Amino acid sequence: GDSVTQMEGPVTLSEEAFLTINCTYTATGYPSLFWYVQYPGEGLQLLLKATKADDKGSNKGFEATYRKETTSFHLEKGSVQVSDSAVYFCALSRMNYGGATNKLIFGTGTLLAVQP
Amino acid sequence: GAVVSQHPSRVICKSGTSVKIECRSLDFQATTMFWYRQFPKQSLMLMATSNEGSKATYEQGVEKDKFLINHASLTLSTLTVTSAHPEDSSFYICSATDRDRPAGADTQYFGPGTRLTVL
Repeated sequence: GDSVTQMEGPVTLSEEAFLTINCTYTATGYPSLFWYVQYPGEGLQLLLKATKADDKGSNKGFEATYRKETTSFHLEKGSVQVSDSAVYFCALSRMNYGGATNKLIFGTGTLLAVQP
Repeated sequence: GAVVSQHPSRVICKSGTSVKIECRSLDFQATTMFWYRQFPKQSLMLMATSNEGSKATYEQGVEKDKFLINHASLTLSTLTVTSAHPEDSSFYICSATDRDRPAGADTQYFGPGTRLTVL
């Protein structure tokens, strides 16, 4: 079945460091790929998404490229801030033929801690 | 926009009682709502999917009679944990989609979650 694997945390970085959180997926066909972020005490928020191969999703300085050849969707940011400390979830979704929503399959989440 | 609320945020109950959790889309009509369960340091596990006015579709291994889902309107879904036991203690999260939003019908908007503790 479909699955998402992401690197285990926690990831601890100093402010302004470069961030990479790896995410790979297993799925048939062409799923949409997502990164969600969960700040302490809050619900999940959509960070970025990509719907087809070679698409790059970007938001708030974060970006991820849909790589079908390596089945990956790694999250990157050039310079992290303390406010980026959160749990990051990689997920995939596939639309059914009717165009209605299909379910999200999540990775286990990666805790990012950014120190001043 | 695309705000989803949950109530209550925390609930503590005695074993054997039932607990109802509400999920509301505040500024959009939710054509589909989802209920997830999140264990500590683990991912979100989908429990069920519900469309307004129809029965929920439960994931394999989720007891329908244990976790009752009602999606009575386009802005409200409820999850009732019946005869709760300590093993039902968890973080329950709902999400909703709005097929009319530019982000598309495959983008889910999440509520802040409800922490259930069964004593």
